[in-house]
Amino acid sequence: GQQLNQSPQSMFIQEGEDVSMNCTSSSIFNTWLWYKQDPGEGPVLLIALYKAGELTSNGRLTAQFGITRKDSFLNISASIPSDVGIYFCAGQRQINSGGSNYKLTFGKGTLLTVNP
Amino acid sequence: GAGVSQTPSNKVTEKGKYVELRCDPISGHTALYWYRQSLGQGPEFLIYFQGTGAADDSGLPNDRFFAVRPEGSVSTLKIQRTERGDSAVYLCASRGYNEQFFGPGTRLTVL
Repeated sequence: GQQLNQSPQSMFIQEGEDVSMNCTSSSIFNTWLWYKQDPGEGPVLLIALYKAGELTSNGRLTAQFGITRKDSFLNISASIPSDVGIYFCAGQRQINSGGSNYKLTFGKGTLLTVNP
Repeated sequence: GAGVSQTPSNKVTEKGKYVELRCDPISGHTALYWYRQSLGQGPEFLIYFQGTGAADDSGLPNDRFFAVRPEGSVSTLKIQRTERGDSAVYLCASRGYNEQFFGPGTRLTVL
């Protein structure tokens, strides 16, 4: 199935450094989402973006919804060891098939390692 | 419970066997999704339920896969004649107003 183009695939950084990852798509999405997944757990929502051009912050996280609606980036500032994990972008479309189907398409993930 | 729960957490089976994976969504959530996550990949959509009905099953890979949600709450994903390629983590999510909340997944290994 379709997956978004997410980069980088992995990052190894020192504690305190900033990190940036991005996601692109060949098609338009109405909503962009960023998730974090820890080992043995399901993805947990970090930030949701609903409008093209929107820039949203959640603590040390900042994300932007691209103007073309085909891309998004996530920045993490002043990284700490607990930021370790896999980060996924996801594009969401509303598909009205017998209800309100908000269908997610995920990227392949960015594995973040933080060296204390 | 407070979140989405899935059982079993791990399932090891032999090629050709039948398996059932269970999802308990957040109470009151009418929308429920199943995803499959292969190693090194993001989750991929399988099927969406609105209430008791499968409103979108376009992600099911073939007719060996089937899911039910008879009372609009618990859902079961059923896989017949399992193949080694079915090995993956199967995630369930339920949606409230705006956000999908994911369970911890069932790791299926087909030997």
